[in-house]
Amino acid sequence: GENVEQHPSTLSVQEGDSAVIKCTYSDSASNYFPWYKQELGKGPQLIIDIRSNVGEKKDQRIAVTLNKTAKHFSLHITETQPEDSAVYFCAASRSGTLTGGFKTIFGAGTRLFVKA
Amino acid sequence: GAGVSQSPSNKVTEKGKDVELRCDPISGHTALYWYRQRLGQGLEFLIYFQGNSAPDKSGLPSDRFSAERTGESVSTLTIQRTQQEDSAVYLCASSLESGYGYTFGSGTRLTVV
Repeated sequence: GENVEQHPSTLSVQEGDSAVIKCTYSDSASNYFPWYKQELGKGPQLIIDIRSNVGEKKDQRIAVTLNKTAKHFSLHITETQPEDSAVYFCAASRSGTLTGGFKTIFGAGTRLFVKA
Repeated sequence: GAGVSQSPSNKVTEKGKDVELRCDPISGHTALYWYRQRLGQGLEFLIYFQGNSAPDKSGLPSDRFSAERTGESVSTLTIQRTQQEDSAVYLCASSLESGYGYTFGSGTRLTVV
């Protein structure tokens, strides 16, 4: 079945440094790749997403890159701050298509610690 | 409503009892999804509803699990004869028909003792 692998499972960085989380997916029909941030006791919150017709997208300190050929996509957080500490999930889906459903497959998550 | 609302936020039940979890999606969101998150782990797909189409139940782990949704409104996830391995946070999300970007609720933390 489809799966999404996410690395690393835990990441610890110093405040101000950059953090990179990488994911690979197996379903070549996936066309939408969202990233979610989950803080303790809360549901995941969408922070950025990218569609398959785009290779890179940036929103302030957060950027995502997508390599469809290699089926890789990554989240980059620059100038990390303590409030960036959370669990981050990557995901892949076939959103917007009439076949294959809208089921989103999530990675296992990366626990990011930003040390002040 | 403004967000996805789930109730109860916490539920403790005895092994063997049935439980019902509720999700109230964002108004206008035709798609609704249930996920299970065990402690310290990722999100496990359970079921999704899209408007009046037949739901995709491919993620339900056993026939003890079922879910209903009437139209584009509230959904209930029912777990019969609960077992300790059912202990987890059950997350509900909704989205527009396209599926671009889910909005999650805060989840129901289920503990089976």
